[in-house]
Amino acid sequence: DIQMTQSPSSLSASVGDRVTITCRASRGISNYLAWYQQKPGKAPKLLIYVASTLQSGVPSRFSGSGSGTDFTLTISSLQSEDFAIYYCQQYNNWPPLTFGGGTKVDIK
Amino acid sequence: QVQLQESGPGLVKPSETLSLDCSVSGGSIGGSRYYWAWIRQPPGKGLEWIGSMYYGGSTFYNRSLESRLTISADASKNYFSLRLTSVTAADTAVYFCARHSYGDFAYVDSWGQGTLVTVSS
Repeated sequence: DIQMTQSPSSLSASVGDRVTITCRASRGISNYLAWYQQKPGKAPKLLIYVASTLQSGVPSRFSGSGSGTDFTLTISSLQSEDFAIYYCQQYNNWPPLTFGGGTKVDIK
Repeated sequence: QVQLQESGPGLVKPSETLSLDCSVSGGSIGGSRYYWAWIRQPPGKGLEWIGSMYYGGSTFYNRSLESRLTISADASKNYFSLRLTSVTAADTAVYFCARHSYGDFAYVDSWGQGTLVTVSS
């Protein structure tokens, strides 16, 4: 199975900051990677798929990049509504679908 | 816009069977090019894929749960179900039903709100 490792596991940032989250696959997954945002008590929300394609309705301050084993999610200017947990997920070689452990973004 | 809604008991006793349904509206389980899936999240932890079913086609299960797990569907009523036998406290989690695409692009584009299932006597 492909393992997904996110870093950092948590970070503190201020509104307006640029934030970068990393996701690493245990072997190459081409660009078959998605990013999700989850707020407390809610279901995850799809942000990005195919590593860099923004889901409809997602603000353009979110962007994704990478291919192979290393991927990043960037929030160009953090807003108050962006404080949440972010997960990556690979779907190149499934089953199983596998998720990273999550990155919690909270207020500095 | 498809909507998914989980239903089922919030409390299950150890060694018993966890059963959940997911009602789908705004889209059809049968005849659509989607997989219908279950994903869970233990309290304070990350996401774990449980399994995915393509109506009229393949069903895939997490190998760690496969011996206890059944995912099925009723297209006439447009819902699908999860059945997990011999549960333990380790099965306590929020259970989400979800949809992902058929084929290569198996990212999850729709989620239910989730339902907490606690395994306790």
